[in-house]
Formats: sequence, structure tokens, C-alpha cells
Amino acid sequence: GAVVSQHPSRVICKSGTSVKIECRSLDFQATTMFWYRQFPKKSLMLMATSNEGSKATYEQGVEKDKFLINHASLTLSTLTVTSAHPEDSSFYICSATSGEAYNEQFFGPGTRLTVL
Amino acid sequence: AQSVTQPDIHITVSEGASLELRCNYSYGATPYLFWYVQSPGQGLQLLLKYFSGDTLVQGIKGFEAEFKRSQSSFNLRKPSVHWSDAAEYFCAVGDWADKLIFGTGTRLQVFP
Repeated sequence: GAVVSQHPSRVICKSGTSVKIECRSLDFQATTMFWYRQFPKKSLMLMATSNEGSKATYEQGVEKDKFLINHASLTLSTLTVTSAHPEDSSFYICSATSGEAYNEQFFGPGTRLTVL
Repeated sequence: AQSVTQPDIHITVSEGASLELRCNYSYGATPYLFWYVQSPGQGLQLLLKYFSGDTLVQGIKGFEAEFKRSQSSFNLRKPSVHWSDAAEYFCAVGDWADKLIFGTGTRLQVFP
């Protein structure tokens, strides 16, 4: 149980285009979802926290107009990287909590974004 | 500010040898502590967690960790490493808002 999927697993896009990444909880309802960014040989950096039906809370330094997060249902959150540039290339990981097990986040496998 | 330090970027051990991965944290209150493992193509998997109580925590895959408040440490141990344990290991500290702060990770390489 507690499986989180991400789609796509990898995406390559041209500079200036927008890319949408989906995060789904497959067998539980996710009250909260988190989006992380991971640079090569670096830690996971929390970008934002989203709760179903409300606006996402962004961490300091994360551009909310650049990284649009939507948590429209209890099983789906999306991250849209708008007007992507090469510096946005990274590994994006989502996680979800059900609210039943305190602070246990279940992680998706990640999405590798490459902006040319 | 909360932070997590993993001093060892890369560790190499022989299969069957014992393992200890270090983790130090900085946190104002009683921390919630976690160890995750990340394998290529897979999501982070929780190995074990500490919330309160017994300071020696048992996890999956034969791992254990010991919380030492006086040293602000939460080191991960395994008595005998298997080749399949080769992966990236992350220590993390959580707060009441469910946010996790991760260390920079330790890459474990296992030689036969």
C-alpha cells in the first residue's frame, strides 16, 4: 500500500515552453502533497506544500508564478513549470501523506526534467 | 534554523562488513527523525523513524538507528551489509507542520 506515482518519469522540452508533472496517490487519499527539487549530488529541497482544495504554500525563494501547483483532488497534484529555462532542469519529486501516520511521507519515483 | 548534516558524502564497504552512516541535526525542540533510502528509478523509501521512547529504533532491511540527544545525532547502522544495500541514504528531521528537512545524503557503495 501507500504507493505514489509520478508522470512522466522524464521529459525534455525546449526553453520557453511549459511542462506539467503529475503526482498521484494510487491507494490512499492524500490530504497533503509536497513537491521537492533535487540537484545532482544534493539534498532534496522542499519547494511547496499543497493541501487538497487550497492554495499551495511555497518555501522562501521559490517562485510561485514559475512553479504552479494544483491539488484538485485527494489523489492528484500537479506541478507546472512555466516558461522553462535550462536552469530549471532538475529532478522533481513529490510525496504525499494520508494524515493517518504522522509525518510519514510516501514518495514518488521522481521526474527528470531537461530543458534545452 | 533547523538543519541536518551528513558528514560522509560517499562510503565504500565490503559485503558482509558492518556499516554506520552518520547524521547530526540542529533543531530547537524534540525532533522527529527519519532515515530514507533512494535507489535509482525508485522513490525514497522509509527505513525507520524516531518520534519518542526507546532511543534505539529498529527498521526494515536489518537497519537500526540510535538517537543520542546529547550528541544531536541519529546514526544509522547495519551489522552486515548486502550488495543490494548500495544506494543513497538520506537523514531527515521533521517538524509539527509535517515538513521534512533532508541532509545532503550519503552514497553507499558495496564491494563483493
